[in-house]
Amino acid sequence: AQKVTQAQTEISVVEKEDVTLDCVYETRDTTYYLFWYKQPPSGELVFLIRRNSFDEQNEISGRYSWNFQKSTSSFNFTITASQVVDSAVYFCALSEGAGGGNKLTFGTGTQLKVEL
Amino acid sequence: DAGVTQSPTHLIKTRGQHVTLRCSPISGHKSVSWYQQVLGQGPQFIFQYYEKEERGRGNFPDRFSARQFPNYSSELNVNALLLGDSALYLCASSQRGLLNYGYTFGSGTRLTVV
Repeated sequence: AQKVTQAQTEISVVEKEDVTLDCVYETRDTTYYLFWYKQPPSGELVFLIRRNSFDEQNEISGRYSWNFQKSTSSFNFTITASQVVDSAVYFCALSEGAGGGNKLTFGTGTQLKVEL
Repeated sequence: DAGVTQSPTHLIKTRGQHVTLRCSPISGHKSVSWYQQVLGQGPQFIFQYYEKEERGRGNFPDRFSARQFPNYSSELNVNALLLGDSALYLCASSQRGLLNYGYTFGSGTRLTVV
């Protein structure tokens, strides 16, 4: 069965600090997709990134970067120079199967608080 | 273009009652999925519909049911409400039934059962 673990329940940083959110996943499938979503207080899940199991290249998008390591089953997310607007709950998620499957399995989320 | 719209945004129901939640997907999207998010937890998969057929079901009791209409909008029905059904119910739409095409989530319906 697929499982996603986000061991960090809550992280507090001061603005401009770098912060890394950890994600460890379990799957028996060789084809799978990994996702990160941001959930602000409004409740809507905002898509950040999708990565398939065959693409281990790290990715950078502005202040966001992702480190995918199949050897450790991890897909960590780093925010550089954090800002107050980054405060939200961040979810890592997994879907299995060719084509991505039809359901997401989410972790329990990490609450990020960025303070001035 | 409008995103995924859900109605109502908030709802209060009494134990034992029935509730219907509604979702309109992004124009052109043929797949709708429903997720339940209990406070402090990640969303849990309930159903997926594609082209008006059920394509996936999560580990939820038969009190939960859904359907998709010819215009691809969807309803989630929950019968005999329990206090534990209090949650944020999220709808997501995609062009096709598979996740490699991506998902767009709505803002959800917050259901409180008293």
